[in-house]
Amino acid sequence: EAGVVQSPRYKIIEKKQPVAFWCNPISGHNTLYWYLQNLGQGPELLIRYENEEAVDDSQLPKDRFSAERLKGVDSTLKIQPAELGDSAVYLCASSRGGRVAAETQYFGPGTRLLVL
Amino acid sequence: AQSVTQLDSHVSVSEGTPVLLRCNYSSSYSPSLFWYVQHPNKGLQLLLKYTSAATLVKGINGFEAEFKKSETSFHLTKPSAHMSDAAEYFCVVSDGGANNLFFGTGTRLTVIP
Repeated sequence: EAGVVQSPRYKIIEKKQPVAFWCNPISGHNTLYWYLQNLGQGPELLIRYENEEAVDDSQLPKDRFSAERLKGVDSTLKIQPAELGDSAVYLCASSRGGRVAAETQYFGPGTRLLVL
Repeated sequence: AQSVTQLDSHVSVSEGTPVLLRCNYSSSYSPSLFWYVQHPNKGLQLLLKYTSAATLVKGINGFEAEFKKSETSFHLTKPSAHMSDAAEYFCVVSDGGANNLFFGTGTRLTVIP
């Protein structure tokens, strides 16, 4: 089966510009996650969706970040306006869902963002 | 609260020698623990996971990890390193029902030919 697909793989923008990342999860996976990975660090959860509903967005900086998963399949993460500190890798992951304990999350290759 | 501490930021081994990557965890209840590997420009891949069954967990590519509650540890081992094992390894703890993952800071494994 196809894995988690993310695009673009790389993005370079100037500060104050908007940017958007797209994620298509594994077919049939109801839960979708967006993570932020800073250089030399482990990923940190930004937001988790169960189908269309954002069930955990406590770590999403809502002043500049937004996300949507309108039809419960693919998802878009947006930053507007971008700041220098947003330079990082943005990872998308998916899992089957259903609140199964220790469910495996499958990760995409990530989008590497550089803000100049 | 759940967290993991990876005790080494960088481990270097010779090809064919054993690998040991150390991880200690902190959890307010019985944890679920994972090891993920990240190769350059590739997505994170699950190596193995512990879910309160057998304390010795076998994963892919010859890796295994042992859950030791008394030591709050979940170290990753492999008997013989291969060049293809060179990558970043993350120890991860889950927060239970919500399945949110909390990653350590990672250990970079270098394999010397």
